[in-house]
Amino acid sequence: GIQVEQSPPDLILQEGANSTLRCNFSDSVNNLQWFHQNPWGQLINLFYIPSGTKQNGRLSATTVATERYSSLYISSSQTTDSGVYFCAVESQAGTALIFGKGTTLSVSS
Amino acid sequence: DVKVTQSSRYLVKRTGEKVFLECVQDMDHENMFWYRQDPGLGLRLIYFSYDVKMKEKGDIPEGYSVSREKKERFSLILESASTNQTSMYLCASSLTGYEQAFFGQGTRLTVV
Repeated sequence: GIQVEQSPPDLILQEGANSTLRCNFSDSVNNLQWFHQNPWGQLINLFYIPSGTKQNGRLSATTVATERYSSLYISSSQTTDSGVYFCAVESQAGTALIFGKGTTLSVSS
Repeated sequence: DVKVTQSSRYLVKRTGEKVFLECVQDMDHENMFWYRQDPGLGLRLIYFSYDVKMKEKGDIPEGYSVSREKKERFSLILESASTNQTSMYLCASSLTGYEQAFFGQGTRLTVV
């Protein structure tokens, strides 16, 4: 099946710093989503982005399907950005989202 | 807003018990999913359903079964709970395939 690799596994930032999270996948995809899991375990959908670029406030995401990667960019990070960020993909042959192992982000004030 | 509600936030069960985890969505979504999340392993797909009474195995279906008798409700069943099924269980739904997915708040199950 399709493989999803996220990097880095852990990231520690000072408030106000910028960061880029990466997601590489091993096959063509029809569906790619980014999620943030808060400290209480709730997964929040950040972006549905099978291709192209989207922005939502301080967050933006870019997927280059031909090169099989996606990036999540967080600018001016805040302590509330802390948590685990997951990339999830669905291959052209698949029928459900497959998740990477996540990037754990810690932002300190 | 889409709402996906899981019946319990925390659950403690004994080994050998039959356990039901319930999930309800309120947006008439076709697809529903059950994942489990374990430290270092991320989220792994247990079962999913793309229609009433339809179900498909995910990556780790052993020891689990599911039921979808109504469109809005998707139940995960542990026929005989074991300690290695102690985990966080997450339910999700999406309108159709290749659509944005929405998650419930999770059920942290402990089997003793």
